[in-house]
Amino acid sequence: QVQLVESGGGVVQPGGSLRLSCAASGFTFSSYGMHWVRQAPGKGLEWVAFIRYGGSNKYYADSVKGRFTISRDISKNTLYLQMNSLRAEDTAVYYCAKALYESGSYPLDYWGQGTLVTVSS
Amino acid sequence: QSALTQPPSVSGSPGQSVTISCTGTSSDVGSYNRVSWYQQPPGTAPKLMIYEVSNRPSGVPDRFSGSKSGNTASLTISGLQAEDEADYYCSSYTSSSTFEVVFGGGTKLTVL
Repeated sequence: QVQLVESGGGVVQPGGSLRLSCAASGFTFSSYGMHWVRQAPGKGLEWVAFIRYGGSNKYYADSVKGRFTISRDISKNTLYLQMNSLRAEDTAVYYCAKALYESGSYPLDYWGQGTLVTVSS
Repeated sequence: QSALTQPPSVSGSPGQSVTISCTGTSSDVGSYNRVSWYQQPPGTAPKLMIYEVSNRPSGVPDRFSGSKSGNTASLTISGLQAEDEADYYCSSYTSSSTFEVVFGGGTKLTVL
């Protein structure tokens, strides 16, 4: 069965960096696009970034463009989110999610359990 | 402010039906049959309940149904059960930028 397990969250000071990981199993990781979506405490869902199955095309929300980088390591079946210049408003639970269709981008079907990032001094 | 507009809350008694609306624009809901609905019970990850307006993934009860008219999509839950109590989010593909996924602000469903 599909499993997505995020890790790497924690407390970081404003301006700091953090790298999130998402370990994937139960499907052919190299064939599916992958997303990061975040949820601030008590708030709704916000799409963050998407990487196509081949890894060559990456897209970002305006709120993180230039600060966050999405990447994937096919050999490790792992998705990453490098977060730099973190701000208080980046505080959220970060979920990785898989696209439903092979070679597709939308919708998102399976989601991980999330990892909490807290940006605070 | 979310790109898609949902009512903050809805409620219903067990056995009743409720409908949650999701209003977008001609750049998203109105132009594409790529509306999805997610269920999120407290403290858990979102779960895909409906995709492409009205399709149910395997394992989702047929009590859940989706529809669309113009720029507004709807999720209807019939035969409400206590376990349906959760936050529900709509989502759509959008052509407003190079690539973007938009979500609604979420609707809290309370089963009375």
